[in-house]
Amino acid sequence: GEDVEQSLFLSVREGDSSVINCTYTDSSSTYLYWYKQEPGAGLQLLTYIFSNMDMKQDQRLTVLLNKKDKHLSLRIADTQTGDSAIYFCAESIKSTDKLIFGTGTRLQVFP
Amino acid sequence: DVKVTQSSRYLVKRTGEKVFLECVQDMDHENMFWYRQDPGLGLRLIYFSYDVKMKEKGDIPEGYSVSREKKERFSLILESASTNQTSMYLCASSGSGQETQYFGPGTRLLVL
Repeated sequence: GEDVEQSLFLSVREGDSSVINCTYTDSSSTYLYWYKQEPGAGLQLLTYIFSNMDMKQDQRLTVLLNKKDKHLSLRIADTQTGDSAIYFCAESIKSTDKLIFGTGTRLQVFP
Repeated sequence: DVKVTQSSRYLVKRTGEKVFLECVQDMDHENMFWYRQDPGLGLRLIYFSYDVKMKEKGDIPEGYSVSREKKERFSLILESASTNQTSMYLCASSGSGQETQYFGPGTRLLVL
């Protein structure tokens, strides 16, 4: 079945770049997503990439998609303490409106 | 902006109680979803609904039921709460044929 995997933790220094990685299994996914969850809150859509793209940039965020390896990454440039959160990767399931979520990566930014 | 609201941010219930979690969205979305979130397990789909009065089981429906009497409202029901249902519950909605889901703030449920 479908599965999405992420590492659980990432710790970076303020001002450095963060790279959060994700692997997925459904090669027919139409979109792949990154959501952000701040402490005590719901999930906020951060960005998404269409499956026929290999890169998308949005201000400090860069999404890279390697469809051959089924690997997705989120790069946050100039990471700030406000970026501390849990980041979820999600893949869509073809012909449904459902998403499969990864376990989430907790990003901790220290001064 | 899409707004998804959940009736409670925090709930404390006793084992065996019937629990209702309410979710309302204001974007006329056809699809609504209930997830639970547990550390190290990510989000797991409990139930979803594609339309009024329609419901489909997700990956972990046991111990839960749902109700969708109106398009904007999707309720999750724990018929007899158990301690292993202590969790964060998240509601989401999306338009028909649209995969992007929008989430509510979550309800943290503690069952004693």
